[in-house]
Amino acid sequence: GAVVSQHPSWVICKSGTSVKIECRSLDFQATTMFWYRQFPKQSLMLMATSNEGSKATYEQGVEKDKFLINHASLTLSTLTVTSAHPEDSSFYICSARDRLATHEQYFGPGTRLTVT
Amino acid sequence: QKEVEQDPGPLSVPEGAIVSLNCTYSNSAFQYFMWYRQYSRKGPELLMYTYSSGNKEDGRFTAQVDKSSKYISLFIRDSQPSDSATYLCAMTRNQAGTALIFGKGTTLSVSS
Repeated sequence: GAVVSQHPSWVICKSGTSVKIECRSLDFQATTMFWYRQFPKQSLMLMATSNEGSKATYEQGVEKDKFLINHASLTLSTLTVTSAHPEDSSFYICSARDRLATHEQYFGPGTRLTVT
Repeated sequence: QKEVEQDPGPLSVPEGAIVSLNCTYSNSAFQYFMWYRQYSRKGPELLMYTYSSGNKEDGRFTAQVDKSSKYISLFIRDSQPSDSATYLCAMTRNQAGTALIFGKGTTLSVSS
C-alpha cells in the first residue's frame, strides 16, 4: 500500500526558533501534498495545499510567512514553522495524493511539535 | 452550517457489537467519500473509499452513501477492542487537487 513518512515524529524546540518537518511519499509520486494541524480531540484542520513545483495555497487564517512550505519534488514536501511560539504546539500531519489515483489521500504518521 | 457534520461521541460498545458511525453533509457537489481510522497520536489510515451512492463492503466494514439524503455511514460488525479509535469521515468534489473536507471524528471505545 501507499506509504507516507514524516520526520521527525516528535520535536521540542524553544520559543523563537524554527523547525522543519519533512513529508515523503515512499512508494508513489505525489503531485499534491496537504498539510494539516490537529489540536487535542479536534479534527484535522487543513493549513495548506502544496503542488510540486509551484507555490503552496494557504487556507484562510494561516500565515504563509510563518508556515513555509516547499514541495520541490514529487516525493518530498517540507513545512517550516518559523519563529515558533507555544501556541504553535500541535500535531502536524501531511498527506499525499497519488498522482495516478487523484481522489485518494494517504497520511503520514504525524509530527508532534512542542514549543517551550 | 458546517460542510460536514459528525457526532464526536464518545461511543462505547461491548465487544461483538455492531457499530454505526454517521456523517451528514451539505454540499451536493461531493462525489467521493472516505472513512479514516485514527489511533491516538498517529496519522489517519484510509479504511473505506466510495464513489457516489451505494454500498461497499470490506471484511467487517461496510460503507454506505445516500447522496439524496446527504448522509454517509460506516458499519463495523463484530467489533473488537482493536477497533477502538477515532473514525473520521471525509469527502471531496470530483476535481483533482481538491482537498478533503473532514468531519470532527467519532471516538469509539470497544470493551472486552
